[in-house]
Amino acid sequence: QVQLQESGPGLVKPSETLSLTCTVSGTSINSYYWSWIRQPPGKGLEWIGYIYYSGSTIYNPSLKSRVTISVETSRKQFSLKVSSVTAADTAIYFCARLLRLGDAFDIWGQGTMVTVSS
Amino acid sequence: QSALTQPASVSGSPGQSITISCSGTTSDIGAYNYVSWYRQHPGKAPKLMIYDVNNRPSGISDRFSGSKSGNTAALTISGLQAEDEADYYCSSYTTSRTVVFGGGTKLTVL
Repeated sequence: QVQLQESGPGLVKPSETLSLTCTVSGTSINSYYWSWIRQPPGKGLEWIGYIYYSGSTIYNPSLKSRVTISVETSRKQFSLKVSSVTAADTAIYFCARLLRLGDAFDIWGQGTMVTVSS
Repeated sequence: QSALTQPASVSGSPGQSITISCSGTTSDIGAYNYVSWYRQHPGKAPKLMIYDVNNRPSGISDRFSGSKSGNTAALTISGLQAEDEADYYCSSYTTSRTVVFGGGTKLTVL
C-alpha cells in the first residue's frame, strides 16, 4: 500500500523558512513525480511545485522565488522549503504523487497544518 | 496563472444527477486532455475521482463521469448519494508544464 507522510514544524515565525518533509512508503521513489500542494484554512487547493526523482523541478510561478523542492532518493523522502513566510503561507500542506507530467495526483498524504505566527 | 473557474456550490437530491463545470483557457484545459477531478471531505485529503478528462481510477464508482468541450470541463455525478456531499476540485496541466486548480465547488445533497 502506497503511503505518503508529511512531517515538520506546525508553527513558523514570520520572515523565517518553512521546512517540510514527505516520506514515501510502499513504492519506489524512482520514476515518479512528487508534488507539494497547499490549502489555506477554508480555501481551495494551490499547487506549489513538483520534482522528478532525478531532481528536476517545476514551480508555481507565483511562489517560485521563495520555494525550493528537493529529493533524497536513498531516504525515500522529498522536501519543501518556503522562505520569508507570512501569515498568507498558513495552510495545510499536502504531498502527492504523479505518475508522469500531465498526470493526476493519484496518491496524497494526509496533510500537515502549518501556522505562521509570532 | 489564474485558477480555473468553478461554481461555488451545487446541490441535488438523492438519486438525482448533478454537473459541476470547470472553465479554463487555451493554455490549460483547452490545450490538453489532462483534466482531473478530486473529492475532498472535511478534514481529509483530496481523493482522485477522474483523470485525463474521463477516466476513473480503480475503485471509483461509474456514477462519476467527466467530459470536456473546448476550454471547459465537467464532472457529472449520477444517482447522488449522501456520501457524495463534499468539496470538488478540478485541475489541469498547462502549457507552462505547471498545474492549476479550480476554486472548488461545495456539493450539498439535500
